[in-house]
Amino acid sequence: GQNIDQPTEMTATEGAIVQINCTYQTSGFNGLFWYQQHAGEAPTFLSYNVLDGLEEKGRFSSFLSRSKGYSYLLLKELQMKDSASYLCAVFYNQGGKLIFGQGTELSVKP
Amino acid sequence: DAMVIQNPRYQVTQFGKPVTLSCSQTLNHNVMYWYQQKSSQAPKLLFHYYDKDFNNEADTPDNFQSRRPNTSFCFLDIRSPGLGDAAMYLCATSRDMGRPEEKLFFGSGTQLSVL
Repeated sequence: GQNIDQPTEMTATEGAIVQINCTYQTSGFNGLFWYQQHAGEAPTFLSYNVLDGLEEKGRFSSFLSRSKGYSYLLLKELQMKDSASYLCAVFYNQGGKLIFGQGTELSVKP
Repeated sequence: DAMVIQNPRYQVTQFGKPVTLSCSQTLNHNVMYWYQQKSSQAPKLLFHYYDKDFNNEADTPDNFQSRRPNTSFCFLDIRSPGLGDAAMYLCATSRDMGRPEEKLFFGSGTQLSVL
């Protein structure tokens, strides 16, 4: 299987830092994406990791460890508008398709 | 300007009444995908077109069909919608396939309700 696991929901405070974890099955792995999805809207691309390490993009950073089958999305200086679902998606060689996790619903509170 | 456009944004149909959802793209991408996303669940790939080649996922019900008359347009047909087909339907495109760096571009989705 290609189970992609992430927490169902998280809550954080405005201005704080939050880390959203994602684990996946490593066989056939060939890249990992993070998407943001606001309620009732389409997912929008946040980041892409294929090599180990940290990719930083403004307030958002994404980390990958291929040997551990693990990634996280780090959000700094949280804003109310960051309340959304964050989807971890893995590209597997077999079929060349993107498989999504169920998403982590993040609530940012004042 | 929107690059992947889905119409309508909200669609209501009756149980068993055929419905068609549409998607168009201005990116001239080779690949168009249809995903089904139920509340609080992962988007689930139904099928995709690589150019004119149709690729159905093994677990996509026969009730779901698709057409791609040209590069720009792709349609999702639900022949006899059931209550369990109520979901958000997402259209996405990518320039190519099999290359992970070719990220997906999503439309805004069509929220389908079945009464």
